[in-house]
Amino acid sequence: EADIYQTPRYLVIGTGKKITLECSQTMGHDKMYWYQQDPGMELHLIHYSYGVNSTEKGDLSSESTVSRIRTEHFPLTLESARPSHTSQYLCASSGQNVLEKLFFGSGTQLSVL
Amino acid sequence: GQSLEQPSEVTAVEGAIVQINCTYQTSGFYGLSWYQQHDGGAPTFLSYNGLDGLEETGRFSSFLSRSDSYGYLLLQELQMKDSASYFCAVRAGYNTDKLIFGTGTRLQVFP
Repeated sequence: EADIYQTPRYLVIGTGKKITLECSQTMGHDKMYWYQQDPGMELHLIHYSYGVNSTEKGDLSSESTVSRIRTEHFPLTLESARPSHTSQYLCASSGQNVLEKLFFGSGTQLSVL
Repeated sequence: GQSLEQPSEVTAVEGAIVQINCTYQTSGFYGLSWYQQHDGGAPTFLSYNGLDGLEETGRFSSFLSRSDSYGYLLLQELQMKDSASYFCAVRAGYNTDKLIFGTGTRLQVFP
């Protein structure tokens, strides 16, 4: 079944640690996105990709980086986590028309102590 | 730039009808989408309007008026499970597939 997967679902780490949030999709979508969302708040785009070896920064300034070496995989890395990075991170993918349907993963709830 | 405005909260009772409005300001317009998000969950796609008018999908309908830069989501025969946050979204510009989300409307359905 075509889907989009994020791991881990929850992550608690200490300040200064390097972490990678994983995102994979089995739908063959070229377009993939990372959003950051605080509880009860709107979604902010932090990174997106139109295909392999294509990555762009979103509207929200972020200290994270992404890579897109394979179509199905779009990991997000924080080199040195800080408490201000505590948030939910949502990965998504879309087909040709992003407006017609964006598929979201279940999210990673990150807590940095 | 782009901005989307929604009411922060709406309340209603089971069986009622509720309308969630979305007004937008964009440098170009390529359609309006709606998403539902339950607490602790991921957003799920509800509907898309590329042209003016009403799109109906079961109990949910979505309307768009491009001349008014306005759209709404209409939920009928409300059920408790409809309690969630609802977001409208637009594409950020012509040469981009960035999707910009509205501020979100929290719907609470009471018995």
